[in-house]
Amino acid sequence: DVKVTQSSRYLVKRTGEKVFLECVQDMDHENMFWYRQDPGLGLRLIYFSYDVKMKEKGDIPEGYSVSREKKERFSLILESASTNQTSMYLCANRQQGSGTEAFFGQGTRLTVV
Amino acid sequence: ILNVEQSPQSLHVQEGDSTNFTCSFPSSNFYALHWYRWETAKSPEALFVMTLNGDEKKKGRISATLNTKEGYSYLYIKGSQPEDSATYLCAFQGGSEKLVFGKGTKLTVNP
Repeated sequence: DVKVTQSSRYLVKRTGEKVFLECVQDMDHENMFWYRQDPGLGLRLIYFSYDVKMKEKGDIPEGYSVSREKKERFSLILESASTNQTSMYLCANRQQGSGTEAFFGQGTRLTVV
Repeated sequence: ILNVEQSPQSLHVQEGDSTNFTCSFPSSNFYALHWYRWETAKSPEALFVMTLNGDEKKKGRISATLNTKEGYSYLYIKGSQPEDSATYLCAFQGGSEKLVFGKGTKLTVNP
């Protein structure tokens, strides 16, 4: 059974804190993605990585950074959390290519107070 | 930012009704069009990944069609059941490994 595991299901952090969201996959897939989901806005891409140490900005990278030191792990970092980063964060991964589906983690609901 | 539009935003149908949703996407630089089902408290799961113009795919009572020249895809559900209640997402892959999602169609099937 394939697995995409996000480190926390629910998280509450204070404004200004540095926050790490971790995602680990056991599928050996090259591509990994971080999305956030907000009501009425759908899934918006924050960052993605197509290989170890490689990353590309998505549509809303401001206030975030990422790290991919190992193929199986992709971390999303909020350098200084703000209340407008309260959201559901979803990690996904895909094998490279045009006909491959994405597999999602269970999501992390982050609240910044 | 690529524009992927889904309609309607939400839909309420009665058990047994058939229904369909639309996804429109850019018609240039097409690699693939994905459909996902996202049930409450679960992770999104893939229904279909389509890569060829004219593709039609089917899984049980759910099917999808693809027109890459005009930039749209339809998802059909025949004889809706309460367990079909979910948000249906489409995602466009164009010219890269990125997947850009629409805002989804939330389907509620009333018993």
